Amino acid sequence: EIVLTQSPATLSLSPGERATLSCRASQSVSSYLAWYQQKPGQAPRLLIYDASNRATGIPARFSGSGSGTDFTLTISSLEPEDFAVYYCQQRSNWPRSAFGGGTKVEIK
Amino acid sequence: EVQLVESGGGLVQPGGSLRLSCAASGFTFSSYSMNWVRQAPGKGLEWVSYISSSSSTIYYADSVKGRFTISRDNAKNSLYLQMNSLRDEDTAVYYCAREDYGDYVPYFDYWGQGTLVTVSS
Repeated sequence: EIVLTQSPATLSLSPGERATLSCRASQSVSSYLAWYQQKPGQAPRLLIYDASNRATGIPARFSGSGSGTDFTLTISSLEPEDFAVYYCQQRSNWPRSAFGGGTKVEIK
Repeated sequence: EVQLVESGGGLVQPGGSLRLSCAASGFTFSSYSMNWVRQAPGKGLEWVSYISSSSSTIYYADSVKGRFTISRDNAKNSLYLQMNSLRDEDTAVYYCAREDYGDYVPYFDYWGQGTLVTVSS
């Protein structure tokens, strides 16, 4: 079973600052990793797939990087609407799936 | 416009059963694999089950295997989750999610709004 560990659990930042979120896999998932954003009371939204590709309509301030076991989601300059919880998901053993525990990006 | 609308959630006693439905519209449902994902109150996301477009391939998370059954009716554009022997820890919002995207493997590009299942005596 592949376990995804996200850090930090909470990130306190101000609008305009850069956010760096980490996702570490217990074994290699190649580049089969996605990032989702979830706001309170809403369903998750796909941001990044295959580790570094932005989904349709996702602003360029969101970027993903990494491969193997270490991945990063970067938000270059936080907008007010970016404060949310972010989850990574691995699909290296598709069609099974697993999510990380999430990182909450909150307003400082 | 792609829409996924879940229904069937509610309050059920431990050991009871419930059937969730997910009505799909705005796309050719029969061409896409589908999943159920759940989220316990205040917790993270947990993948529950997968079904291929033709229902030929089905997978379950270990936590629900033997108790839950996923199915679909392509003629009715609907996805289902039959949940039996429910436990307190099955309490969650249940989302249906479509698979697409990805150059090599698919990801969950559309999600429903979720339906709440509460297991309690």
